[in-house]
Amino acid sequence: DVKVTQSSRYLVKRTGEKVFLECVQDMDHENMFWYRQDPGLGLRLIYFSYDVKMKEKGDIPEGYSVSREKKERFSLILESASTNQTSMYLCASSFPLLAGVKDNEQFFGPGTRLTVL
Amino acid sequence: DQQVKQNSPSLSVQEGRISILNCDYTNSMFDYFLWYKKYPAEGPTFLISISSIKDKNEDGRFTVFLNKSAKHLSLHIVPSQPGDSAVYFCAASGANDYKLSFGAGTTVTVRA
Repeated sequence: DVKVTQSSRYLVKRTGEKVFLECVQDMDHENMFWYRQDPGLGLRLIYFSYDVKMKEKGDIPEGYSVSREKKERFSLILESASTNQTSMYLCASSFPLLAGVKDNEQFFGPGTRLTVL
Repeated sequence: DQQVKQNSPSLSVQEGRISILNCDYTNSMFDYFLWYKKYPAEGPTFLISISSIKDKNEDGRFTVFLNKSAKHLSLHIVPSQPGDSAVYFCAASGANDYKLSFGAGTTVTVRA
């Protein structure tokens, strides 16, 4: 069974603080993703990584950075938290696309509910 | 601009009846579509998918229909059960693309 774990289920931080959200997967997946989920907006991609030390911006990268030093771990960093970053943060992982095989199912962690005061 | 749209934010259905969830997309390059189910305080879990070479895929009580010309897909749940009460997200991806674009979600409530 694929397991994606996130370091905290609930987090409360103050405006201006640096925030680290950690994600670990145990299935040797190459791809890892960070999303935020907001009511009425669904899941929006912040950053993703297709290999160690590789990262690409998603649809809403502003105010965020990421780090992937090891294959199993993908960290999301809020350099200076702001109230508009209050949200549910979801990490996901998946295998790379294989030639001739279309199966890019992503496996999600339980999420971190971040509140910025 | 959202490329995947779920225009019904909520759906209420009686236990035993059919639930029909709709999803529209605008990107004609999308060729793979997925449905995810999400309970409160949990991450989304994969439910069912369909490739653009098919127009129907069935898995137990869940069936997904794809109408490429209309850029529309739907998820049918028959019969609906109380445990089906959750948020359902439609997602899509293009060829050679492992990123997914998600819709806003539809909250399904199954009434006893």
